[in-house]
Amino acid sequence: GAVVSQHPSRVICKSGTSVKIECRSLDFQATTMFWYRQFPKQSLMLMATSNEGSKATYEQGVEKDKFLINHASLTLSTLTVTSAHPEDSSFYICSASPGLTGELFFGEGSRLTVL
Amino acid sequence: ELKVEQNPLFLSMQEGKNYTIYCNYSTTSDRLYWYRQDPGKSLESLFVLLSNGAVKQEGRLMASLDTKARLSTLHITAAVHDLSATYFCAVPSFIGGADGLTFGKGTHLIIQP
Repeated sequence: GAVVSQHPSRVICKSGTSVKIECRSLDFQATTMFWYRQFPKQSLMLMATSNEGSKATYEQGVEKDKFLINHASLTLSTLTVTSAHPEDSSFYICSASPGLTGELFFGEGSRLTVL
Repeated sequence: ELKVEQNPLFLSMQEGKNYTIYCNYSTTSDRLYWYRQDPGKSLESLFVLLSNGAVKQEGRLMASLDTKARLSTLHITAAVHDLSATYFCAVPSFIGGADGLTFGKGTHLIIQP
């Protein structure tokens, strides 16, 4: 099946630093990718839609200047958490679709801990 | 605003028993997804249901979709311990094509020997 890969899987950083998370579609091209956030024992919440070659679309309440999204190629989207704070600690998951079957595949997730 | 409600949110059951998880959604949608999540892991795709009346089965799990009632069910037959996990249903925000999903709160399933 289609594979979506994220890197890094875990990252610990100090408050005030920036962290970049990569999401790659390994065996298909994705003009659109999606970024979600999941706090402990909660469901997934859509943060933004990443569009190849254009600006990302952010969900209400998500700060676009804090969560920078770049979709520079058809197989790579990046999420940068700028000036991270402890409340940004979460599980960040990306997804993408090959577009043929309606299926959406999720990356392995990136667990961010901000100290 | 699209809302997706799952019930129950927590289910403890014995091996060998049958049970059903329900997923209701508030606006018209042409598809519905079911995912499994193990602790500390990402989502594993179980089913994508693409039309009214769609029924899919994989092993001890069977999912169905009634778009008129805006209801999907995930039925577990003769549960085994390995099925212990959190199960999410999810619906696209807009009709047509892959889209960002709105998730239910998840059903935390524990299957005891």
